[in-house]
Amino acid sequence: EAQVTQNPRYLITVTGKKLTVTCSQNMNHEYMSWYRQDPGLGLRQIYYSMNVEVTDKGDVPEGYKVSRKEKRNFPLILESPSPNQTSLYFCASSPGRWNSPLHFGNGTRLTVT
Amino acid sequence: AQTVTQSQPEMSVQEAETVTLSCTYDTSESDYYLFWYKQPPSRQMILVIRQEAYKQQNATENRFSVNFQKAAKSFSLKISDSQLGDAAMYFCAYRNTDKLIFGTGTRLQVFP
Repeated sequence: EAQVTQNPRYLITVTGKKLTVTCSQNMNHEYMSWYRQDPGLGLRQIYYSMNVEVTDKGDVPEGYKVSRKEKRNFPLILESPSPNQTSLYFCASSPGRWNSPLHFGNGTRLTVT
Repeated sequence: AQTVTQSQPEMSVQEAETVTLSCTYDTSESDYYLFWYKQPPSRQMILVIRQEAYKQQNATENRFSVNFQKAAKSFSLKISDSQLGDAAMYFCAYRNTDKLIFGTGTRLQVFP
């Protein structure tokens, strides 16, 4: 089954404790992206990648890192999480053609205390 | 910079009736794509419909259709014969090359 898999679905952590949210897709998509969803703000892009070893900042990249060492994986890294990073996170992918809609993972609810 | 605006934070509709969700956007580009996504309580993001900017004909998908007015930069979603399962958050989105920009969403309630 074609899908984008995010893990974990829920995560509660404390300020400053490094964490990684994994994202993997099995559709051989070139494009992958991370979004955060906050009430009243919609979804905002954190980072995106057009292909392996190619990543770029979105609209809200501060406090986040990503890597794209393999085509299928695009982990999101929070080196020192802070409470303002409490949010719902989505990973998404699509073929390289930008007329294609995104396929989304099921989301990760992160709480930083 | 491109922006997407959804001016209706909440809407409600009676089952079997029709409802229209509004979306406006701002861009200087002539070639782009527009999308409507649905997010039910399960929080999954589901593609509802998409529209190519170079096509004048409005896209339709079963009970869902759009009114695309390129000059006015407007992209509204019409849901006909509303069903209880249509209750969700709806997001309008704009895509041009590497960026997909979302509006703030409209929460749709459907009453029996």
